[in-house]
Formats: sequence, structure tokens, C-alpha cells
Amino acid sequence: SAVISQKPSRDICQRGTSLTIQCQVDSQVTMMFWYRQQPGQSLTLIATANQGSEATYESGFVIDKFPISRPNLTFSTLTVSNMSPEDSSIYLCSHGPSGSTDTQYFGPGTRLTVL
Amino acid sequence: GENVEQHPSTLSVQEGDSAVIKCTYSDSASNYFPWYKQELGKRPQLIIDIRSNVGEKKDQRIAVTLNKTAKHFSLHITETQPEDSAVYFCAATISSGGYQKVTFGTGTKLQVIP
Repeated sequence: SAVISQKPSRDICQRGTSLTIQCQVDSQVTMMFWYRQQPGQSLTLIATANQGSEATYESGFVIDKFPISRPNLTFSTLTVSNMSPEDSSIYLCSHGPSGSTDTQYFGPGTRLTVL
Repeated sequence: GENVEQHPSTLSVQEGDSAVIKCTYSDSASNYFPWYKQELGKRPQLIIDIRSNVGEKKDQRIAVTLNKTAKHFSLHITETQPEDSAVYFCAATISSGGYQKVTFGTGTKLQVIP
């Protein structure tokens, strides 16, 4: 499986500010995904990011709030904009099918606290 | 869209006993079913998976069964150990030709009591 890293691992931010989370994969992958996991909850898909096209957002998530970049096949960013305390959560990236596997592998996550 | 239900939400077992977690899905197009284990503060890690053309798969103490007709699949852990304590997520995936859509269950918190 590809190795996935995320930066930052955690951050504490003031409301109204924005934070950009970076996700790096050590091999080329077509699909990357961004998830949110609130404390004690399951994973909720925010959007799917394919290189060279606009991200596809799930119901309840919009580009103005969560802009995503996917400049190449190994990197993606998620920005959480105009943050409020309700955005406090863990944000995880993952990559989709690659080679012969259908498995999604996850990054270590970014723990965001908004004051 | 796909809906995945997972039961139970919490499960406590004595060390050495078996644990069973069940999931149901709604979309017959789902063709790949991974199970993830998430320890506290860690990322979800794949522990076993099964494809729609297979009815059962086993890996040491862990097994997964799939009933396509009934649209349900289950995780079985035998001879549980304290290190099995974690949250387990099932997922139903539509995966075809580079396209993939994954829907996760709500999770089961497993506690293995020594």
C-alpha cells in the first residue's frame, strides 16, 4: 500500500480563520478522498479529489467552505475556511484504488480544534 | 445512495470468547466490503476484506462472511485478546474501473475484558 502522510497532525485555531491540511502519498494514485471524523463518530466523506478535475463534494459540504486542490497524482490539500467551533474534528485523507487493490488507506489524520 | 447499518454499537466480551459484528447494506451495486480497526487516536487500518464473488474469507482469528442475497456481511473474531479492543467499521464499496464510492457503517466499540 502507498504511504500517506498529513500535515499538520494537529492545530488549534481561532474562529473565523482558515487552515490548510496537506496530504502526501508516496506513489501516484488517481483518487484521493477527504473525510471528517467527529469524536466517537464514523467517517463522513467530504469530497473526492481527482487530479486535473474539480473535486466532487458530498451532500452537506460545499467548495466555498472546504476548497480542495489536487495539483498532481501524489498530493492534495483541504482548506477549512472561516472556521467555527463546529468544525472541530479529525480530518483524514485517503487514497482510492491503486494497482490491484480496492482498499482505501488512510493518512494519520489532522486533529483540529477551533476556539 | 448506499446506506450501511452496523450492529451492535458497543460490544463487551471476555478474553478468549468470540465477537461478532454485523452490517447490512442497501445498494446491490456494492461489490467490495472492507473492515477497518481504529484504535484510539490512530487512523483506521484495514484488517480484512471480501469481494462480492466470495462468501467467506478467513485470516487467522478473523473471518468475514457475506450474504449477497440478504445484503449483509459480518465480522467474526475468535479467541479475543485485549489488544482486539478498538472501534471496528464496516464499509460497502462500489468499485469499478478506477471509480470508487465507499460508505462506512457507524462503528462498533469492542471491549475485551481480561
